[in-house]
Amino acid sequence: EVQLVESGGGLVKPGGSLRLSCAASGFTFSSYSMNWVRQAPGKGLEWVSSISSSSSYIYYADSVKGRFTISRDNAKNSLYLQMNSLRAEDTAVYYCARDFTFGEYDYWGQGTLVTVSS
Amino acid sequence: QSALTQPASVSGSPGQSITISCTGTSSDVGGYNYVSWYQQHPGKAPKLMIYEVSNRPSGVSNRFSGSKSGNTASLTISGLQAEDEADYYCSSYTSSSTLRVFGTGTKVTVL
Repeated sequence: EVQLVESGGGLVKPGGSLRLSCAASGFTFSSYSMNWVRQAPGKGLEWVSSISSSSSYIYYADSVKGRFTISRDNAKNSLYLQMNSLRAEDTAVYYCARDFTFGEYDYWGQGTLVTVSS
Repeated sequence: QSALTQPASVSGSPGQSITISCTGTSSDVGGYNYVSWYQQHPGKAPKLMIYEVSNRPSGVSNRFSGSKSGNTASLTISGLQAEDEADYYCSSYTSSSTLRVFGTGTKVTVL
């Protein structure tokens, strides 16, 4: 059974940093591109970042470019999102999602809440 | 990259059919057959309902169908059921540097 489990969310002050993790199981992690997608409270889905299976290709939404860094460790079946210079508008539930075609996500984690507030 | 445009809400009675539109441009919806649809119930993660415009993943009811014409994709739910009440989002591959874009989301209400 495919499972994606996010962790690392929490309350952080504006300007602070946080590192999210996504533990994958039940499939060959190293064969799939992975993504972070977020959802602000009461708002829609927003794609944040993508990383190819071998980390050769990385993409970011304009809203997080230069502040967030996506990475993965295929030996540990894990996906990460390092978030720096956090802003109030980064407050959201962050989901990791498996990319099975061009930007189509067949499995999602349960999400982890990041709250940026003083 | 602007979000794809969806109606804010769509409603229907049990047993009826409804259609949700998703309008983009020739750089996303109109240019690629990588349009997908997701269902999200409150407090839950999104669930893939349609991929590559019209394909259903295993386990998704055949009451859900997808199509595309020009720059607009559509999701049709036939035989509407109470459990279909949820938020629905479209998504498309795009030629922009971000490569992916979501729709604004549609709340489906079963009357």
